[in-house]
This record gives sequence, C-alpha cells and structure tokens, in this order.
Amino acid sequence: GESVGLHLPTLSVQEGDNSIINCAYSNSASDYFIWYKQESGKGPQFIIDIRSNMDKRQGQRVTVLLNKTVKHLSLQIAATQPGDSAVYFCAGRYIERKTSYDKVIFGPGTSLSVIP
Amino acid sequence: DTGVSQNPRHKITKRGQNVTFRCDPISEHNRLYWYRQTLGQGPEFLTYFQNEAQLEKSRLLSDRFSAERPKGSFSTLEIQRTEQGDSAMYLCASRQGLATGELFFGEGSRLTVL
Repeated sequence: GESVGLHLPTLSVQEGDNSIINCAYSNSASDYFIWYKQESGKGPQFIIDIRSNMDKRQGQRVTVLLNKTVKHLSLQIAATQPGDSAVYFCAGRYIERKTSYDKVIFGPGTSLSVIP
Repeated sequence: DTGVSQNPRHKITKRGQNVTFRCDPISEHNRLYWYRQTLGQGPEFLTYFQNEAQLEKSRLLSDRFSAERPKGSFSTLEIQRTEQGDSAMYLCASRQGLATGELFFGEGSRLTVL
C-alpha cells in the first residue's frame, strides 16, 4: 500500500557535524519525494524535494539522495546548527494518472536534536 | 502575510459539541488539502479540493466530518459530535499546480476534546 516510513525515530548530533536522516518507502508510484521540517507548535515547512527520476538534489546545506533500487530516501544536513532541531518528515506525492488528483503521504518523522 | 492562514489556532471543547475550523489558502492556489496530525505522528491526509470541488476523501474522514470550499477560496472543516479521539492538530495546505512537490502548510488548528 501507500506508506512512507522512517528508520530512526530520534537523532542527536553535535553542532557543526553533518546529520543524515533516513526514510524507507514501499510504494514506487510517487513522482516526487519531499522532506519537511516541523518545529514545535508549527505547521510543516518544506525543505527540499526530488523528482522520482533523479538520484540526488542539493539545496542550501541540505542534500537529498534517492535510491529507487532499495526504496530509500535520505536527507543530509551539513554543519548542523541549533536551529535545525525539529522533527523531519519524509513524504511521497502520488498523482492519479486519469484525474490528476494528487496527495502527499507522510512518514512518522525523525526528531533531530542538535547538541551545542 | 500571504501564507496559509488557519483559525482558530486552538480550540477546547467538550465531547459531543460541534467545532469548525477555517483555512484561508494562498490566494492563487487552486488545490487545498486537510490533514490531521496526532502527537509524534506524521500528518495524515483527510481530504482534497481542487477549486470548489472536493475530489478525494480519506477513509479517516468519518460521517461526522465534513469539509467545504464553497467559492474555491477559503475552506471549512466541521466535526460534529466530537469525540476524545478527535483531539489532534488539523492542518491545511495549499498549492497551485503540480510543478513541484511542495505543499504550503498553515500553522494548524489544535483541537482538544475533553
């Protein structure tokens, strides 16, 4: 079925180190995979997305890697800062071919704590 | 502020009461989505509008839940005869087209049912 899930529920990293957050998915029908950041009491905030026909995409201090062979997605954050402390969700977007109806399905999240 | 706006931000109600949440999407966005999020979980898809048409509803959306987007602009989500299990954050998101994977989320409406 449609599901996007995560390997680890929590991750602690030292400030300045790189962070890697992993995600496994089961449905290969996504056309986009997306990473969101959610701070306490706020709505999810878009970080970066990657089309399903790509392997890697880089943003500012973030890189997303997609391995379709093993259905694995990762988010790398370079030089992690205290402001990066949040819950990170991976998500997959699914579009119904005939109707163009779309929906984004989220995984359960990884809590990232940055140790000063 | 031209982002997605949700009201009220917090709602505390007694079991059995009806509640209504409002979402004002980004003005040019034709697609609007409602999600529900419980503590420690990712947002769960509830329903989707394209303009004023409600095109998909999750099985999570029981008959006590109804959503509307009467003029293709703002949307309301009503929960009738609330139950304690309805306590959650209700998130609204919008986008225009499908060119990217990005959804623009509001800050959510937190519902507590006593």
